[in-house]
Amino acid sequence: RKEVEQDPGPFNVPEGATVAFNCTYSNSASQSFFWYRQDCRKEPKLLMSVYSSGNEDGRFTAQLNRASQYISLLIRDSKLSDSATYLCAVIYSGNTPLVFGKGTRLSVIA
Amino acid sequence: DTAVSQTPKYLVTQMGNDKSIKCEQNLGHDTMYWYKQDSKKFLKIMFSYNNKELIINETVPNRFSPKSPDKAHLNLHINSLELGDSAVYFCASSQIRTSGRHQYFGPGTRLTVT
Repeated sequence: RKEVEQDPGPFNVPEGATVAFNCTYSNSASQSFFWYRQDCRKEPKLLMSVYSSGNEDGRFTAQLNRASQYISLLIRDSKLSDSATYLCAVIYSGNTPLVFGKGTRLSVIA
Repeated sequence: DTAVSQTPKYLVTQMGNDKSIKCEQNLGHDTMYWYKQDSKKFLKIMFSYNNKELIINETVPNRFSPKSPDKAHLNLHINSLELGDSAVYFCASSQIRTSGRHQYFGPGTRLTVT
């Protein structure tokens, strides 16, 4: 089983749609969780951290389910500018680096 | 000001050559990383340095040698380049002792080996 797995996509959705991505992780001792966004031919950029109680940033909502070992990202009212690849990332502990999923590609269509 | 910078941005070279990629961060972070993103877009850790000390060395051929002259710099030297080394290499940095610990990435170096 891969360490971090994501829906591969692509997700093609119309503007204004709500779209959700899921990501599962295999290490139950994982401590920190993140969603990154990567535009074509660009570097990954932090979209939001994921907290145990769930958190929201504008149209974006992230949730963590430790029991089932998954995190999710919900995007409401999709914009054309949301088109990108969304990567979930997990830190196990201490000085360990991020472990990324393979990413989910989102295309928002006019 | 660019937080994490890499040079060069593009690198085209022939098999068998030796090349270096440089990375600098001006965020005052204590930890720096090298990631490789292959043609399938999978982003994988190669090395991690904390306060100039190597702490993570994933299964990477020993043709790849990182060097950290100080906390703000982490360079990657690659010997005897092979076709399979073609990828985008990202440098990143983070501050381990903060609660966030997320990483800031450089713009990437697109390496093409012909």
